[in-house]
Parts: sequence; C-alpha cells; structure tokens
Amino acid sequence: QQQVKQSPQSLIVQKGGISIINCAYENTAFDYFPWYQQFPGKGPALLIAIRPDVSEKKEGRFTISFNKSAKQFSLHIMDSQPGDSATYFCAATDNTDKLIFGTGTRLQVFP
Amino acid sequence: ETGVTQSPTHLIKTRGQQVTLRCSSQSGHNTVSWYQQALGQGPQFIFQYYREEENGRGNFPPRFSGLQFPNYSSELNVNALELDDSALYLCASTPKGRLGKGEQYFGPGTRLTVT
Repeated sequence: QQQVKQSPQSLIVQKGGISIINCAYENTAFDYFPWYQQFPGKGPALLIAIRPDVSEKKEGRFTISFNKSAKQFSLHIMDSQPGDSATYFCAATDNTDKLIFGTGTRLQVFP
Repeated sequence: ETGVTQSPTHLIKTRGQQVTLRCSSQSGHNTVSWYQQALGQGPQFIFQYYREEENGRGNFPPRFSGLQFPNYSSELNVNALELDDSALYLCASTPKGRLGKGEQYFGPGTRLTVT
C-alpha cells in the first residue's frame, strides 16, 4: 500500500515534443505529490508538486495532472528540450513527511 | 540563499567500518530527513530529525543512527558497514512551519562505496 508505481522506465522524445510520465498510488492518506528532476551525480531537485484538492497545476512548461478517483497523477513536459534530459521521480507522502518515491523515468530529448 | 550542503562528496570505506555523513540544512529550514538512493533506484526514507529528536523512521536497522544539532545541521552514522550500504546518501530539509506538509529540498548527496 506504500508503493508508488511509475512508468515508463525510459522515454525518448524529440526536441519540441511532449514528454508524459505516469504514476499511480494506493495509499489514500497521501496528500502531497511532488515531482523531482535528477541529473547524474546530483541530488533530486523539486520541480513541481500538487495536493489532491486540485486536478491540475502548471508551472511554465511543466504540468501535473491529478486524478484522485483513479489514484493516478502524471507529469507533462511541453516543448521538451535537450536540457530536460534527466531522470524524473514522482513521489507521494502524507503528514509523516516520509516521501515514497517511484522507480524513476530516464528521459532523453534528442535535437 | 544557501541550499542544502553535504559532506563529504565521496567516501570509500571497508566492510565492518563506521561512517559519519554531514548535512547543513537550507537557511530558514529546521527539519532534516535522510534518504538512501541505490544505483538506478528511487530514494528510500531513512529517518527525519526535528527539534534534535528522531521524528519518524523508515525500514532501516538500528545501525543507522542520526543526530541533529541546535543549528539544525545533522549527521547520519552507519555502523558495521555492509556491501549493500553502498549508495548515494541524500539529506533533505524542510522550511520552518512546513513540517508534515511534505516539502523537502535535497542536497547533492554523499556517494558512499563499501568494499
């Protein structure tokens, strides 16, 4: 029940395209859903996050879509750029602050 | 504003030894959480420190212990190192007043290799 399932494991997108990464969870107590971006040899950087009282949040080229009834959420990267090439992790937590991470998606954006 | 900093960057230890990793939280933050990230996997929660006390723990044995100091910096100690302890150890801090809200900002990590 504590798992967060993430797909796909890897994603190849052409420059200017849309990258979509999906996550699913089971624990209905989760109330905070962040996405992190991680470059090789670096720590995860908080990209964007959502709480279950809204169905969508947009920040620049990054959008989270949230479906509470399906217990799913996804990250959309519009106009993907080569600089977006990184590993993306979804995560979820409740009021314990214990972040449960997905297994990661390696995104490669080709020019 | 200074972000989360960790030291050392890299460390090589022998099985059975002990190691101490250090973390300085971001300015304006007072809670520190530690995570272990094995190669190719997502980070796993070890424990969190708030007001110098452990405030939640993941599924890690007692040989993983920690401290938090009055200036909110923190240490992670691992005793009796095992080969499987080889990983990137990440420290994350939470802004004051945001405990329990999930917001965590990560440092660059310490890469520990156990031989």
